[in-house]
This record gives sequence, structure tokens and C-alpha cells, in this order.
Amino acid sequence: ETGVTQSPTHLIKTRGQQVTLRCSSQSGHNTVSWYQQALGQGPQFIFQYYREEENGRGNFPPRFSGLQFPNYSSELNVNALELDDSALYLCASSLARGHPNTEAFFGQGTRLTVV
Amino acid sequence: AQKITQTQPGMFVQEKEAVTLDCTYDTSDQSYGLFWYKQPSSGEMIFLIYQGSYDEQNATEGRYSLNFQKARKSANLVISASQLGDSAMYFCAMREAGAGSYQLTFGKGTKLSVIP
Repeated sequence: ETGVTQSPTHLIKTRGQQVTLRCSSQSGHNTVSWYQQALGQGPQFIFQYYREEENGRGNFPPRFSGLQFPNYSSELNVNALELDDSALYLCASSLARGHPNTEAFFGQGTRLTVV
Repeated sequence: AQKITQTQPGMFVQEKEAVTLDCTYDTSDQSYGLFWYKQPSSGEMIFLIYQGSYDEQNATEGRYSLNFQKARKSANLVISASQLGDSAMYFCAMREAGAGSYQLTFGKGTKLSVIP
């Protein structure tokens, strides 16, 4: 186990609703990244938080937003849900943002289904 | 252009045999890292092995080794003595030093099935 926990594990929402996903990072890790993994695809980077500030963003619209708290846990919020938002959402924590060899530890993911 | 290419959607290997999963990458950075992750059906991404662009030796971790050919921009994963528990999706990923947020860029994955 990596020590990264995500909640909930499964979620069903209706199109147009809003959802909040949560992630507790591994102890001591100050960087959290979120990824979206559609069925049959590799994970796609959504954004990263470092010391409570957004530190980079992938090609996702503004209705995807996030927060990082002083204890380095994080939330991913998605507004105005669309059917294509159905995916596995993965959270990854790492010790530092700054080096290519920084290993990322992933949680088990939240499987979101939008109907 | 895709940054990470995994050309094998699915692979089969006999138990106790070795298998190679292919990965090619594209970057103009001199400093980058290459990772392999295993994803069982439960969904969690499990780190297997890392290779840095400046590492002269191929990385090894137990039954996993990485065949790093920098000039060809390939980073193939070799799994020796396959076990039934190795059946899973395998993803190659890259982190580039030039990307300010140091995100991981993943390939589409290879589904490995180990046959008894």
C-alpha cells in the first residue's frame, strides 16, 4: 500500500451535477497531482498542487478545479458534469515537485460514472 | 506527436517465461525520467521501475529490468519468470524536466496476460 487514500471509491452522478473527490497524500508528501483515466486509455494529467497552490494544468476546462489543504490533502471538483467525465480519477502524491526522478505514489482511484 | 508510444495493446506469456513490453518516447529535454507502472483490475497504479536519462546502467528491480536505449528513445520493460499475478495493464510514463509541473505523461498501456 502506498499510503495515498482516495474517497469515495465509486460514485454515480447525473449529468449537470457537481462532484468532489478527495485524496489524502502520503505522509510528508507536499505535492499532489490528479489524473483522469478514461476506459482503455492511459491516465491524463489534470493538474498539480504544490504547497496549496496550483502548479501546472493539463488540457482540462475550468470546470475542473482543485484545492490543497495545509495538511497536503487535496480535493478535485468537477462542475456541470458531462457524460464524458465518466472515468477513473487517480490522485498521486510525491515528496517534491522538482526532479524528473521524483516517484509518484498513486491511490486506488475513484471511479466516477455520469448518467 | 505522441510523447509515449506503447505499440502492443495486448501480450500473452507463458508462466515462468520472460516477456518484453515495448515503449518508445519523444522528448527534446536532456533531463527526463522514465517510469513503468502496473495497474491491476483494482485500479491502483503500482510503481515498478525508474530510469533516468543520465543513468548509464539499465535499471533493475527484482524480476523487472528496463532495457534503455537512449539513441533509439526506447525504454522496454522486461519481466523475467512471469507469474500469474503479473497479469495486469502496464503503463510506460515519462516526466520531463522542462515541464514546469513535472507531470507524468503516460502511454496507452499494454495488457499482459500470463497463461498457466
